Amino acid sequence: AQKITQTQPGMFVQEKEAVTLDCTYDTSDPSYGLFWYKQPSSGEMIFLIYQGSYDQQNATEGRYSLNFQKARKSANLVISASQLGDSAMYFCAMRAMNTGFQKLVFGTGTRLLVSP
Amino acid sequence: EAQVTQNPRYLITVTGKKLTVTCSQNMNHEYMSWYRQDPGLGLRQIYYSMNVEVTDKGDVPEGYKVSRKEKRNFPLILESPSPNQTSLYFCASSLYSGQGHEQYFGPGTRLTVT
Repeated sequence: AQKITQTQPGMFVQEKEAVTLDCTYDTSDPSYGLFWYKQPSSGEMIFLIYQGSYDQQNATEGRYSLNFQKARKSANLVISASQLGDSAMYFCAMRAMNTGFQKLVFGTGTRLLVSP
Repeated sequence: EAQVTQNPRYLITVTGKKLTVTCSQNMNHEYMSWYRQDPGLGLRQIYYSMNVEVTDKGDVPEGYKVSRKEKRNFPLILESPSPNQTSLYFCASSLYSGQGHEQYFGPGTRLTVT
């Protein structure tokens, strides 16, 4: 079975600093994809970044990067130079081959608060 | 504009009164899915559809039905809603169901069942 664990219910960071949001995953599949989504207080789900299990390089998208450590089964999101607008819930999610990539399994989320 | 739309955005109803939440996408996506979000539980998949007339259960399908008669539409039906179905519901779509295809989410429907 697939499982995503986000152990940090809440995180605080000061503006302009970097922050790491933790995500560990559990799957026996060699082929899977990992996603991060942002949910601001307005409620919509915004796709941030994707990492494939066979990707050799860590994914980056602007100020977002994914610290992918396959042996540890971790896929931490790093936000550099935090901005006030980064305050939101962040969800890690996974799709794996054993479900034909049909199912997207989410973690419970981390609430990030960026202070001035 | 490429988007996933859901209606209604907010709904308060009573136990047992059938309701339908509509979902539509204009991106010609094959894959569509419904999720519910509850505090402390993240998002959980209710049903998904790989294409027209192809649907399957997610992790929490009890009490819900879906249909996919057209590629763009994927309504969620609650035949006899109960208070434990009070939740925030999201519809999502992706081009395919493959490993790297991110899902585009609708704005959400907040449902309260009294």
